[in-house]
Amino acid sequence: AQSVTQLDSQVPVFEEAPVELRCNYSSSVSVYLFWYVQYPNQGLQLLLKYLSGSTLVKGINGFEAEFNKSQTSFHLRKPSVHISDTAEYFCAVRMDSSYKLIFGSGTRLLVRP
Amino acid sequence: NAGVTQTPKFRVLKTGQSMTLLCAQDMNHEYMYWYRQDPGMGLRLIHYSVGEGTTAKGEVPDGYNVSRLKKQNFLLGLESAAPSQTSVYFCASSLRLAGGHEQFFGPGTRLTVL
Repeated sequence: AQSVTQLDSQVPVFEEAPVELRCNYSSSVSVYLFWYVQYPNQGLQLLLKYLSGSTLVKGINGFEAEFNKSQTSFHLRKPSVHISDTAEYFCAVRMDSSYKLIFGSGTRLLVRP
Repeated sequence: NAGVTQTPKFRVLKTGQSMTLLCAQDMNHEYMYWYRQDPGMGLRLIHYSVGEGTTAKGEVPDGYNVSRLKKQNFLLGLESAAPSQTSVYFCASSLRLAGGHEQFFGPGTRLTVL
């Protein structure tokens, strides 16, 4: 069965430091990849998505992610985080021609001053 | 343009009680979804709808029923609530069912079953 793994349940980081949130998926077919952010007591908001083409995808709020087909990964990065980036981040995958959007378990990013 | 809205925001039920969660979207999306979010488990699909009058089971449908009488509304019902249904429920909608189309999420309903 297809699955999405976010190995880090929580990532603490100091303000203005770089961060990488890891996402790996299992699939032998083409995929569409998404990163969503959930701020406290809010719904999920799309950060960025990979459909095809360039493997480096830029999103909102200075985030970017790189698709690596050989490693089946889609890690999220930001060169300098702000306090306001404190939130939970979800990686999600949809296999080609499937309706299912499969979510990882989430990574809580905690930015400290 | 409110996007996706959910009613109520919070609810506490006793075991065996029933309730209905309402989801509304104003983006004219055909497809709507109900998810539950539990700690450490991400979001899991309960039911979804591909259009007015149609619904289908997702990953965890047991104990829930849904209805889509109007295109803009998607209702989630719990006929006899159980403590295992304590969760945060999210509604979402999208323009297309598959492919690279994103889903737009509501703010969630936090349900506690005692």
